[in-house]
Amino acid sequence: DQQVKQNSPSLSVQEGRISILNCDYTNSMFDYFLWYKKYPAEGPTFLISISSIKDKNEDGRFTVFLNKSAKHLSLHIVPSQPGDSAVYFCAASSGTYKYIFGTGTRLKVLA
Amino acid sequence: SQTIHQWPATLVQPVGSPLSLECTVEGTSNPNLYWYRQAAGRGLQLLFYSVGIGQISSEVPQNLSASRPQDRQFILSSKKLLLSDSGFYLCAWSVLDRERETQYFGPGTRLLVL
Repeated sequence: DQQVKQNSPSLSVQEGRISILNCDYTNSMFDYFLWYKKYPAEGPTFLISISSIKDKNEDGRFTVFLNKSAKHLSLHIVPSQPGDSAVYFCAASSGTYKYIFGTGTRLKVLA
Repeated sequence: SQTIHQWPATLVQPVGSPLSLECTVEGTSNPNLYWYRQAAGRGLQLLFYSVGIGQISSEVPQNLSASRPQDRQFILSSKKLLLSDSGFYLCAWSVLDRERETQYFGPGTRLLVL
């Protein structure tokens, strides 16, 4: 049972435009959400997080939106840059040390 | 600053051989430590986590085991590898950061079992 789902395995966006990566979850106990970026043959790097008491968190070009009623979060990257090309994972936790990760979305930013 | 090391970076092993992957963290004390596996086309699967020396929690029943002989050392082992053990193995540590525990990952070990 996949509690965290990233239904789009890949996404292509033109440089300078907005990239929107989506993530859905099923467990209503999740109260903390994170996005990680992963290049090939490297470990994931932390990008941005959001607590369930908020619906938006912004850090530079990256903004995460949380819609608790829909059990949906999204990562917006504006403007997209070629260096943003990577696999993006969303993760969720419910007050424990454990994260549940999605399967990832491969973003390709076209120059 | 904190750093996390994993070795080896790449490993090719025959089926039935043993495995030992090592992870060490520098610059922090008593971290929570984690082993994940990323199989081809799949997300990150939590295998083990540890909140202290000798304390190991297993998430997925399999032929792998983990040990934490020192505060900042986490080892992933197997007595006999299976073909299905192939994947990208990631060690992570976490710290109370921002609002909650945030996990930071090592560079990973790519394991190919033939």
